[in-house]
Amino acid sequence: LAKTTQPISMDSYEGQEVNITCSHNNIATNDYITWYQQFPSQGPRFIIQGYKTKVTNEVASLFIPADRKSSTLSLPRVSLSDTAVYYCLVGDRMDSSYKLIFGSGTRLLVRP
Amino acid sequence: DAGVIQSPRHEVTEMGQEVTLRCKPISGHDYLFWYRQTMMRGLELLIYFNNNVPIDDSGMPEDRFSAKMPNASFSTLKIQPSEPRDSAVYFCASMLAGTHNEQFFGPGTRLTVL
Repeated sequence: LAKTTQPISMDSYEGQEVNITCSHNNIATNDYITWYQQFPSQGPRFIIQGYKTKVTNEVASLFIPADRKSSTLSLPRVSLSDTAVYYCLVGDRMDSSYKLIFGSGTRLLVRP
Repeated sequence: DAGVIQSPRHEVTEMGQEVTLRCKPISGHDYLFWYRQTMMRGLELLIYFNNNVPIDDSGMPEDRFSAKMPNASFSTLKIQPSEPRDSAVYFCASMLAGTHNEQFFGPGTRLTVL
């Protein structure tokens, strides 16, 4: 049973900015939020990680509000090659057990 | 480094047979994870190891599944006996301690049980 919530799919066009939000109400106090990208027939690939506020690297930005109950992955100026499934990963302390929970994933389609 | 290596890449077997999936993590990584991915259930964590010791196997579906990590460079996931509902892509991932879930995934093994 997934403890995170993401939109099932999103559509965009080349050159646009895409924002994907993940809800994680039971995130562990000391846990980080990590986003992965997965192409067909491949394993997930790490994109970005953060604990709070904003993190930016060469491919994406991650925005985390003060309560940390959600996070937003921002992909600037997407291209066709960004078409993939995006997952957020957080630890979850529901029921006093620590689990590594992948979200259900957001299928991003980038159109020409 | 070659990354996480999994073998075989594809496995087709008949119901009731034993299946063994293999994984070689990235050298120096302390954690190893086994996942299963299906269309219906998405990506599920089955079990993970820290320094070759199983930490959490609560995701293992039932007693037919077992995993071992005899040393830091090798792990196996065994299904015995296999059933058609075990058909899925099985991923192995490894991670360096302190990197807060920055996992490196292998290419996966696509298992088909007839």
